[in-house]
Amino acid sequence: DIVMTQSPDSLAVSLGERATINCKSSQSVLYNFNNKNYLAWYQQKPGQPPKLLIYWASTRESGVPDRFSGSGSGTDFTLTISSLQAEDVAVYYCQQYYSTPPYTFGQGTKLEIK
Amino acid sequence: EVQLLESGGGLVQPGGSLRLSCAASGFTFSSYAMTWVRQAPGKGLEWVSAFSGSGISTYYADSVKGRFTISRDNSKNTLYLQMNSLRAEDTAVYYCAKSPDMAVAGHYFQHWGQGTLVTVSS
Repeated sequence: DIVMTQSPDSLAVSLGERATINCKSSQSVLYNFNNKNYLAWYQQKPGQPPKLLIYWASTRESGVPDRFSGSGSGTDFTLTISSLQAEDVAVYYCQQYYSTPPYTFGQGTKLEIK
Repeated sequence: EVQLLESGGGLVQPGGSLRLSCAASGFTFSSYAMTWVRQAPGKGLEWVSAFSGSGISTYYADSVKGRFTISRDNSKNTLYLQMNSLRAEDTAVYYCAKSPDMAVAGHYFQHWGQGTLVTVSS
């Protein structure tokens, strides 16, 4: 199975500042035939289900604010929040959906306000 | 609007069984792959099982293979998870999630339900 490792485990950022979360996969999740990275990012607020933010590593889901962006390719990916807002406090997960299941998640990164 | 409503969770003794349901609305249920994801208390997300929209392909995590069975009734717009031989480590909130396509393979989870809590304890 593909192992997803996020860093850091927790992060405290001041309002208006940039937040960066990293995700590394144990093998490439890039399909050469279509040049797509099979990597998604989710946001989970306390007491709520996860919410899809980013898919194909960099495509923002409809309705997601443009301060959220995804980048990276192959095995190394990043979720960036350009200007942290109070409502962005949450746990963030990366997930690979390469090939057939099992589709694994990272362990999560807890984002707080400094 | 896509809506997914899980039910069937509760307290069950080790070795017992439980069937979860996920009632779907707001989309053509038979055209989309559906998945179960669980989250143990205070822990991360774990993919459990998936069923293609075509009804041909099913997938299971090794941790539940042989004990859990996923099924769907497209006439009732409902996804199921039959859980047998339950263990303490199966204690979790179970979410159903909808993929953006009929195929399971190569797709993320676009919509999620609110989840139902399963507690396995004596």
